Amino acid sequence: VIWMTQSPSLLSASTGDRVTISCRMSQGISSYLAWYQQKPGKAPELLIYAASTLQSGVPSRFSGSGSGTDFTLTISCLQSEDFATYYCQQYYSFPWTFGQGTKVEIK
Amino acid sequence: QVQLQESGPGLVKPSETLSLTCTVSGGSVSSGSYYWSWIRQPPGKGLEWIGYIYYSGSTNYNPSLKSRVTISVDTSKNQFSLKLSSVTAADTAVYYCASGTPGYMDVWGKGTTVTVSS
Repeated sequence: VIWMTQSPSLLSASTGDRVTISCRMSQGISSYLAWYQQKPGKAPELLIYAASTLQSGVPSRFSGSGSGTDFTLTISCLQSEDFATYYCQQYYSFPWTFGQGTKVEIK
Repeated sequence: QVQLQESGPGLVKPSETLSLTCTVSGGSVSSGSYYWSWIRQPPGKGLEWIGYIYYSGSTNYNPSLKSRVTISVDTSKNQFSLKLSSVTAADTAVYYCASGTPGYMDVWGKGTTVTVSS
């Protein structure tokens, strides 16, 4: 099983801020990483796959980077609708696993 | 655009079998383009991938649940289903069905809450 460490668990930020979320793997996964956004009471939504490919319809202020064991999700200019919980997910090997989540809250 | 809708009992007794169905619209479960997954989220916690089925019937399950899980597909109804046996309170969660390529999931159902309680 590949273990994932997502940090921080909680991030307090203001609208307009640049925010960065980290996801570290227990072993290398090449670029087999996805990022999701989840709002309260809603299903997760895919933001990024293959570590850096933006899903269709996702605003360009979201970007992903990294390969191997260290990955980053960046929101370049935080908007009010971006306050949510973010999860990384590896699909390099079974079982597919998720990070524990990062909640982005209003500062 | 594929859309997914979960359905099934919201309350299941301990030791019984949880059964959920995901109805697919705007696409076909027989399509070789998609893998059909189940994911769950206990209250206040993170996401856990349960397993997937491919249109051919091939499956892959999370080892943590493998002995209790069966995912199947019904092409005549354009549905796929989850069965989880011998449930306990630890299986209380929101259950999501999702579709995507082998790896990431780009379409999700809205989720259905299942509570395990007597």
